[in-house]
Amino acid sequence: GNSVTQMEGPVTLSEEAFLTINCTYTATGYPSLFWYVQYPGEGLQLLLKATKADDKGSNKGFEATYRKETTSFHLEKGSVQVSDSAVYFCALRRDINLNTGTASKLTFGTGTRLQVTL
Amino acid sequence: GAGVSQSPSNKVTEKGKDVELRCDPISGHTALYWYRQSLGQGLEFLIYFQGNSAPDKSGLPSDRFSAERTGGSVSTLTIQRTQQEDSAVYLCASSFSAWEYEQYFGPGTRLTVT
Repeated sequence: GNSVTQMEGPVTLSEEAFLTINCTYTATGYPSLFWYVQYPGEGLQLLLKATKADDKGSNKGFEATYRKETTSFHLEKGSVQVSDSAVYFCALRRDINLNTGTASKLTFGTGTRLQVTL
Repeated sequence: GAGVSQSPSNKVTEKGKDVELRCDPISGHTALYWYRQSLGQGLEFLIYFQGNSAPDKSGLPSDRFSAERTGGSVSTLTIQRTQQEDSAVYLCASSFSAWEYEQYFGPGTRLTVT
């Protein structure tokens, strides 16, 4: 079945440090890949996505590249801020079944808590 | 513009009681999803609605769990005879269609079974 594995947290960084959160996946076919973020007291929000191999998703200074050869979608940011403190979830969605419209559900990793300090 | 709303935000119930959790999706969104976020299991899919029908119920953990959606809008997740392992945050999400990449999540209902 489909699964997502991400590095365990918590990750604690100083402001302006470089961030990498590793994510690897197992899936049949050609899934779409996502990073969602959950800020304290808020709901899950889509941070970025990539829908095919070699695509790079980017948003708010975060980037992730869909690497089919290594089945990875690592999240990176060059200079983190205190406001980036949150829980980050890697997720995949496998190909939509055009006949049934199913397979639109997301499969999530366990989440990585990021704490950025001054 | 209103986002996805869920009620109640918190629910404490005794073991064996039934509970109903409500989700109001974004207006016009045809696809609606329920997920569960728990310490032991992470974030897991429960059920997906397209309109009022549920083509994918594969994540419902037992027959104590059921869900319905009416008028292509509001959805209710019902848990009968609650158990302590049902304690979790129940998240609802919606999207314009099943083919849309972005799912918009509500704030969740925290369920505690004592």
